[in-house]
Amino acid sequence: AQTVTQSQPEMSVQEAETVTLSCTYDTSESDYYLFWYKQPPSRQMILVIRQEAYKQQNATENRFSVNFQKAAKSFSLKISDSQLGDAAMYFCACNNNAGNMLTFGGGTRLMVKP
Amino acid sequence: NAGVMQNPRHLVRRRGQEARLRCSPVKGHSHVYWYRQLPEEGLKFMVYLQKENIIDESGMPKERFSAEFPKEGPSILRIQQVVRGDSAAYFCASRGGGNQPQHFGDGTRLSIL
Repeated sequence: AQTVTQSQPEMSVQEAETVTLSCTYDTSESDYYLFWYKQPPSRQMILVIRQEAYKQQNATENRFSVNFQKAAKSFSLKISDSQLGDAAMYFCACNNNAGNMLTFGGGTRLMVKP
Repeated sequence: NAGVMQNPRHLVRRRGQEARLRCSPVKGHSHVYWYRQLPEEGLKFMVYLQKENIIDESGMPKERFSAEFPKEGPSILRIQQVVRGDSAAYFCASRGGGNQPQHFGDGTRLSIL
């Protein structure tokens, strides 16, 4: 069984500054993907970034980047130049390679201060 | 280029009634997933379907819950004889073949009176 753990229930960051959200996971899969999803108050689930486990290079999407430490089973999300619109719940997830169903962490609520 | 469409957006039922939640996947996607989100929690996998087949229902309660994805039409998650504990947001996601990521709908928020 897979598990995903987000140890920070809440984080806050000043607008324009950088924040890092933590995630650790456990899986018996040899090949898997890791994801960060954003859920604003509207409750949509928006894919922020995706990392393939067999790739050593950390994924980057504009102001969002990850620090993927495979041996440590750690997958943190860094948000640079934080904006008010980044305020949301952030969920880390890992997929089951057999069926691709996702296992989610409990989420981190990010607040952005103007 | 429509994404995953879920309806209704909000559904209110009384205890003992049936709830039907609908999900139309992205056009061309044949893989559908249902997840449940309780307040202040992450999403939990319920069931994975491919056209006309249930592939994995390990996350779905054995009683009162059923899901289908017919050859024609949307995927349906059906909850019979609803109880207060069924109150949650139910999300549907679809994906294409290979390792394409899942695209989520906006969810159906089910409230049980």
